[in-house]
Amino acid sequence: GQNIDQPTEMTATEGAIVQINCTYQTSGFNGLFWYQQHAGEAPTFLSYNVLDGLEEKGRFSSFLSRSKGYSYLLLKELQMKDSASYLCAVRDLYGGATNKLIFGTGTLLAVQP
Amino acid sequence: GAGVSQSPRYKVAKRGQDVALRCDPISGHVSLFWYQQALGQGPEFLTYFQNEAQLDKSGLPSDRFFAERPEGSVSTLKIQRTQQEDSAVYLCASSLVKAGSSSYNEQFFGPGTRLTVL
Repeated sequence: GQNIDQPTEMTATEGAIVQINCTYQTSGFNGLFWYQQHAGEAPTFLSYNVLDGLEEKGRFSSFLSRSKGYSYLLLKELQMKDSASYLCAVRDLYGGATNKLIFGTGTLLAVQP
Repeated sequence: GAGVSQSPRYKVAKRGQDVALRCDPISGHVSLFWYQQALGQGPEFLTYFQNEAQLDKSGLPSDRFFAERPEGSVSTLKIQRTQQEDSAVYLCASSLVKAGSSSYNEQFFGPGTRLTVL
């Protein structure tokens, strides 16, 4: 079956570093995405990994290990505006014509002063 | 530039009513997806269009749900005889190329329509 797990909630301090983990079990794999979603708003793209390793993009980095079915999103120099839900999504290689995205439940991050 | 827009942003319906939710994708985007997001959950796939062709409707929860994209641009998700369990945010996303042509193929999301069925 399809399963994506990530923590429900996390709390971190402004200026600190936080790592949000995601593990997945899907019938196929064709890339992993991280999205940020503020309450009541659209998910916005953060990062994409299809090969093993670390992708860095400013204050955000994402890591992938396909053999372990594991990814993490690393946020550095946290700011209050980073308080949001972070969604891990896997593109299913065998998702019919779609290659549809399968999302986790999201991790609600609260950044405190 | 204009992103994905959806209307209405909020819809309250009485149980049993029919509703129609509209999505305007980014101009020129081939692929269009509909997702359903329940409170505190991640989005769940409903259906996929490549231009005007509905290639995948495996996520539609029942035959009360119907989607169309007749001219390959604007799409409408229709829910007939709404039930309380249909209450959710309905997200539309579009991407530039057809599914499978590129593993990257970022999906751009609209703000969603929050449907509340009383």
